[in-house]
Amino acid sequence: ETGVTQTPRHLVMGMTNKKSLKCEQHLGHNAMYWYKQSAKKPLELMFVYSLEERVENNSVPSRFSPECPNSSHLFLHLHTLQPEDSALYLCASSRTPIAGGLNTGELFFGEGSRLTVL
Amino acid sequence: GDSVTQMEGPVTLSEEAFLTINCTYTATGYPSLFWYVQYPGEGLQLLLKATKADDKGSNKGFEATYRKETTSFHLEKGSVQVSDSAVYFCARSSGAGSYQLTFGKGTKLSVIP
Repeated sequence: ETGVTQTPRHLVMGMTNKKSLKCEQHLGHNAMYWYKQSAKKPLELMFVYSLEERVENNSVPSRFSPECPNSSHLFLHLHTLQPEDSALYLCASSRTPIAGGLNTGELFFGEGSRLTVL
Repeated sequence: GDSVTQMEGPVTLSEEAFLTINCTYTATGYPSLFWYVQYPGEGLQLLLKATKADDKGSNKGFEATYRKETTSFHLEKGSVQVSDSAVYFCARSSGAGSYQLTFGKGTKLSVIP
């Protein structure tokens, strides 16, 4: 139990569906992250929220829409995805945002949501 | 840009063998360096870290030393166990103004009895 809970653990959706991934952290952290993990590729940072404000968006297509209503919850809304979007989506949190070399804080990851787009 | 290169896997070892997983990073700025581990069906968790040159991170019998002169942060363990089977990721913090940890592609380790 890492203190970061993701639901659902598995999701299968068609290209025209709308679905959402949910992440909840019970650690009192102020920063939350979405990462995409694809086979044989490095982890890709998608979004970073600090104190509920988006501070980084790494050129992610608009079919992925994040939402952070409070410091404990993070959503990733999915709409008209493509088969190449199939991957493991990992949520993470940290006490403060990891920025440059100044913050050596640890990222706490959830177990991930395995997404398959048909 | 920042990057991390780690050895290609998979790596298969017998129990009690010596483990080395190589990792090198681009030498921009003064990054902190990390090793994360992902056990089957789980998310990543921090294994160890080092924040400045010559620091040694250690945990659960694993060690890695921050080598600025060779821009390396190789992971070692003297005697692996079956329970060490997992994917290991090397990572570095990125430059000022970025919130990104740059990860390597991961190295899958399988330890057989």
